[in-house]
Amino acid sequence: GIQVEQSPPDLILQEGANSTLRCNFSDSVNNLQWFHQNPWGQLINLFYIPSGTKQNGRLSATTVATERYSLLYISSSQTTDSGVYFCAVGGGATNKLIFGTGTLLAVQP
Amino acid sequence: EAGVAQSPRYKIIEKRQSVAFWCNPISGHATLYWYQQILGQGPKLLIQFQNNGVVDDSQLPKDRFSAERLKGVDSTLKIQPAKLEDSAVYLCASSLESGRGTQYFGPGTRLLVL
Repeated sequence: GIQVEQSPPDLILQEGANSTLRCNFSDSVNNLQWFHQNPWGQLINLFYIPSGTKQNGRLSATTVATERYSLLYISSSQTTDSGVYFCAVGGGATNKLIFGTGTLLAVQP
Repeated sequence: EAGVAQSPRYKIIEKRQSVAFWCNPISGHATLYWYQQILGQGPKLLIQFQNNGVVDDSQLPKDRFSAERLKGVDSTLKIQPAKLEDSAVYLCASSLESGRGTQYFGPGTRLLVL
């Protein structure tokens, strides 16, 4: 099956700093989503981005499908950005999502 | 637009007891997913429904887990009997169609088996 690797596993930032999270996957996919899991466990959709670039406020994402990676950029980080960021990919007919192990982000004031 | 609803939010049971979780997907979404998230890991798909038919249940422990989606809307996931290793968050998600598109997740049910 498809393997999904995320890096870095942990990240500590000062408020206002920028960061880049990476997701590598082992096969072609027709779905790629980035999620933020907040401290209460809710998975919040950030981007549906099987290819290309999207931006939403301080967040942006780029997926290079031919090279099998995706990047999530967080600019001017805030304490509310803290939590776990998951990349999940789906392939084949069912759109079954395979999740990476996540990046734990802590933003300090 | 209302999101995916799940209940209960928390459940504590003893091993060998049974438990059931309920999910109501976003209106009009044909595909419904149940995921299990063990502490420190990413969610793992247990079962996927397209309308009221099962698309993928390859990772569902069928000796103790069962799920149904009657009438192609609400779904229930049952564990009987529960084991200690079933302690996890059970997440329900839905998408407009199978095969592609954004999956939207509910708040999850936290299960603790003692």
